[in-house]
Amino acid sequence: GAGVSQSPSNKVTEKGKDVELRCDPISGHTALYWYRQSLGQGLEFLIYFQGNSAPDKSGLPSDRFSAERTGGSVSTLTIQRTQQEDSAVYLCASSLESEGNEQFFGPGTRLTVL
Amino acid sequence: GNSVTQMEGPVTLSEEAFLTINCTYTATGYPSLFWYVQYPGEGLQLLLKATKADDKGSNKGFEATYRKETTSFHLEKGSVQVSDSAVYFCVLGRAGGTSYGKLTFGQGTILTVHP
Repeated sequence: GAGVSQSPSNKVTEKGKDVELRCDPISGHTALYWYRQSLGQGLEFLIYFQGNSAPDKSGLPSDRFSAERTGGSVSTLTIQRTQQEDSAVYLCASSLESEGNEQFFGPGTRLTVL
Repeated sequence: GNSVTQMEGPVTLSEEAFLTINCTYTATGYPSLFWYVQYPGEGLQLLLKATKADDKGSNKGFEATYRKETTSFHLEKGSVQVSDSAVYFCVLGRAGGTSYGKLTFGQGTILTVHP
């Protein structure tokens, strides 16, 4: 497939557990973004990777959230010690380098913290 | 910081009605502007974009014009269809000059079109 893929599509976890969410960007896209879509906060930026540059983590809501991108391709978003307020749909997007280029979004991972 | 304010919904229209969803933004510099759409059960996808003042983005009968003087990017369609029922997001890209493409989203407007 040519699109952005994310896994799992749904994740239910218990409060306090750690979770990992995966994103496979479109081949050749150097920029990768994580966003979160929740009822109370709308759609908000979390973190951005561009090539080999240091990631922009300015949107991460707390130090329980971290992300890495290995080999300039696949990215993993990790949430430690999950809380109920972390329940949301986590969206990944990728794009070519230029600012004006379209960001292509994956289908998202719906996280439910019980 | 950057922000986007879009018309609150939900918006309910009959088929073939005229649609306007208002969007205004606050930003420094000259940001790119986008409308993204999320159809039921599907992911976000770009509907149209404009990268500089007075540009008009258009796609699938939808149009939006980048108005720097009013800091607006209103979405319009002359005749909506049932298949246009979706959530529409007005989106701000960071100002040009860097390759940093972080997006700022409006709160989304739910559109329902009845036959």
